[in-house]
Amino acid sequence: SQQGEEDPQALSIQEGENATMNCSYKTSINNLQWYRQNSGRGLVHLILIRSNEREKHSGRLRVTLDTSKKSSSLLITASRAADTASYFCATDARTSYGKLTFGQGTILTVHP
Amino acid sequence: NAGVTQTPKFQVLKTGQSMTLQCAQDMNHEYMSWYRQDPGMGLRLIHYSVGAGITDQGEVPNGYNVSRSTTEDFPLRLLSAAPSQTSVYFCASSYSSLRVVQGEYGYTFGSGTRLTVV
Repeated sequence: SQQGEEDPQALSIQEGENATMNCSYKTSINNLQWYRQNSGRGLVHLILIRSNEREKHSGRLRVTLDTSKKSSSLLITASRAADTASYFCATDARTSYGKLTFGQGTILTVHP
Repeated sequence: NAGVTQTPKFQVLKTGQSMTLQCAQDMNHEYMSWYRQDPGMGLRLIHYSVGAGITDQGEVPNGYNVSRSTTEDFPLRLLSAAPSQTSVYFCASSYSSLRVVQGEYGYTFGSGTRLTVV
């Protein structure tokens, strides 16, 4: 089974609104990463948060990590139509170096 | 341009045929991985490698072989193609976790190989 479970599976919002996606995982981690995939393309790394960090910002992205609940959230502020994509969380497990495990993803649609 | 190069981009195979999907990276990354992506399933790890000469199985390794004779290359071999292997395959690479501690490194993905087995 996959390490990450994402919620919601699909999210539809208007331009300018904020989008929040959640990820839960099962085992202890070194870090958690978020990726974006535009339709028919490869994945692009967005942000990485280490297990000893609780919050991280990068531009319009804000990521939180709660290791006690084994969960993370990705917030995209002031969404744009160009943010329309699938978003995946991925975990780098503490006991398995080199093994990055992905969730099933959230499909985000931002309407102009 | 630096990155992960996958070839071919598209391939159609007949059931029972074998083939090799190529993956090369020029970033001196220690880690390399192969994933398959199916609708509604996210990305599932097939095989991964933490360095030349070292490989390990992921979540769905059956029907696939890998080897890592150099840091740069990580080919994926389909031994006897089956319709269940119809998928989009992605290769990815990264610095090791120990180097990630110092930096913000994530995985770099190739553009994918769309494989159809008929």
